[in-house]
Amino acid sequence: DAGITQSPRHKVTETGTPVTLRCHQTENHRYMYWYRQDPGHGLRLIHYSYGVKDTDKGEVSDGYSVSRSKTEDFLLTLESATSSQTSVYFCAISDGGVGNYGYTFGSGTRLTVV
Amino acid sequence: QKEVEQDPGPLSVPEGAIVSLNCTYSNSAFQYFMWYRQYSRKGPELLMYTYSSGNKEDGRFTAQVDKSSKYISLFIRDSQPSDSATYLCAMSGGNNNDMRFGAGTRLTVKP
Repeated sequence: DAGITQSPRHKVTETGTPVTLRCHQTENHRYMYWYRQDPGHGLRLIHYSYGVKDTDKGEVSDGYSVSRSKTEDFLLTLESATSSQTSVYFCAISDGGVGNYGYTFGSGTRLTVV
Repeated sequence: QKEVEQDPGPLSVPEGAIVSLNCTYSNSAFQYFMWYRQYSRKGPELLMYTYSSGNKEDGRFTAQVDKSSKYISLFIRDSQPSDSATYLCAMSGGNNNDMRFGAGTRLTVKP
């Protein structure tokens, strides 16, 4: 996925520990999004950012926080990981917001909380 | 009831078949409609983008939107084994936090 990189690609962590996932883009896009993908639920928005230090909640934001200190980096933190947060996490970017363009997605981070 | 409903399949067709994938939705504010293709262990990639009602064609792919019925479709002509993937519909009213995705339909095209 040219222009957008997620790290790590896989992670196993223990319940109760904090976890940070990173999304890095080289496209200089204004909008960045974090989604989780679960069977039967499709993709659900966790948080999004519309600029440096400008973030807002999505539909499933409880237990997650985000930060964006630079245009190119958007971090997702699970403050105290729970088994219900076992999922595949995708970062997405957009230049003009959803109204003008679709999103470009990263390759995902597969997180397992044991 | 979910805002976006999509039959998860799986759907299996022979090579060369015409494939029809569909989603229904309940939010009349949706006006931007997308189809994404997702290969196994990869992120979704944008396939088709449509604003409001009507048809849009791109090669073997045609997207249709019927806002009066709250129903969208993706047609794949002359399907190929390389089309085997999960197809996600998505729609939005134009706000950054209101994009909703279907659960995805898994398609297999057999040679």
